Amino acid sequence: QKEVEQDPGPLSVPEGAIVSLNCTYSNSAFQYFMWYRQYSRKGPELLMYTYSSGNKEDGRFTAQVDKSSKYISLFIRDSQPSDSATYLCAMRANQAGTALIFGKGTTLSVSS
Amino acid sequence: DTAVSQTPKYLVTQMGNDKSIKCEQNLGHDTMYWYKQDSKKFLKIMFSYNNKELIINETVPNRFSPKSPDKAHLNLHINSLELGDSAVYFCASQGAGANVLTFGAGSRLTVL
Repeated sequence: QKEVEQDPGPLSVPEGAIVSLNCTYSNSAFQYFMWYRQYSRKGPELLMYTYSSGNKEDGRFTAQVDKSSKYISLFIRDSQPSDSATYLCAMRANQAGTALIFGKGTTLSVSS
Repeated sequence: DTAVSQTPKYLVTQMGNDKSIKCEQNLGHDTMYWYKQDSKKFLKIMFSYNNKELIINETVPNRFSPKSPDKAHLNLHINSLELGDSAVYFCASQGAGANVLTFGAGSRLTVL
């Protein structure tokens, strides 16, 4: 089993839809959870950052972490065509010398 | 001013050649990384340096050799290039005590 699993999609939704993106993981030592957004031919940019379990909201974006289920989610409300990108979940343990481990990314397309 | 800059952005070369990719960050971060992103968008950690010291060295062929002349620079040299080395290579940096990474725009390597 891979450390971080993420459905690559592609996921196509109409403008205004609510989008749900998810990742599961196997390493119970992971404490820091992030979502990165990557536009075509660009580098990943940080979208949301959460420590341990709980929810975090930023505008139209909500990140949820359920450590008991080893499951994280990103919700996008009122999706826009500009949200069309690849979304990568990432996580790491609270341990020096460990790297940020990424999921494979979900490609999202929002049509107007 | 670009926070994490990589050169070259595009690199097309023949099998068997040796090439280098350079990375510089002006964020004052202590830790820098090289990630490889394959055609399916999977980002995989290769190396990490903290203050010029190698701290992460994943299972990467010996043909790949990172070099950090100072904490603001991390270069990647690849010997005897193979077709399978074709990918986008991302440099990233991380501040002390932080968990998020700031990525460069990527260097797209094509080996013919």
